[in-house]
Amino acid sequence: NAGVMQNPRHLVRRRGQEARLRCSPMKGHSHVYWYRQLPEEGLKFMVYLQKENIIDESGMPKERFSAEFPKEGPSILRIQQVVRGDSAAYFCASSPSGMDTEAFFGQGTRLTVV
Amino acid sequence: QKEVEQDPGPLSVPEGAIVSLNCTYSNSAFQYFMWYRQYSRKGPELLMYTYSSGNKEDGRFTAQVDKSSKYISLFIRDSQPSDSATYLCAMSHPGGFKTIFGAGTRLFVKA
Repeated sequence: NAGVMQNPRHLVRRRGQEARLRCSPMKGHSHVYWYRQLPEEGLKFMVYLQKENIIDESGMPKERFSAEFPKEGPSILRIQQVVRGDSAAYFCASSPSGMDTEAFFGQGTRLTVV
Repeated sequence: QKEVEQDPGPLSVPEGAIVSLNCTYSNSAFQYFMWYRQYSRKGPELLMYTYSSGNKEDGRFTAQVDKSSKYISLFIRDSQPSDSATYLCAMSHPGGFKTIFGAGTRLFVKA
């Protein structure tokens, strides 16, 4: 049973470009969470999704950021018109229920905006 | 004031030492208390979690929660160089999915 798969592991984008981060949850997991980690800081909750539904997006910036978890395929975190401040590690976690105590994290995508 | 406070360290100890890692929090509604280990350039890995107050032991690791003081601890006995990592405390409400993380404490165990 493969773990949570995130790709790409590293992503470099120029200011103004779009970044697409992908997360394939563990088999049997229908709940996905996205977190952002800045250097020397803990993980900050961004969004919680179930298949085809956004449950809680209270941690998402109001502009430029969006997330989806379609019926088929991976969850996508999309950042439009990236700025230097978007540079961070983005982690995805999945769980079989809505409980974070059963969540497993992926290895993260490190986004660098130049 | 942050909801969860954690000393970032770094904390450096000799092999075999007992390590104490701590967090304080401000939200009395938190019921689930978790400890994650994160190696450099890797994702966090859940070590253990506790529901409400009390102690929980798993091998060399012991988690303690004192809700009256809003203080949680993780103890590592007989620390090993392989324990060198960043340890993140985390907590959430009942039915929680919106985990609040501390900043993490960097631990170095010297052989």
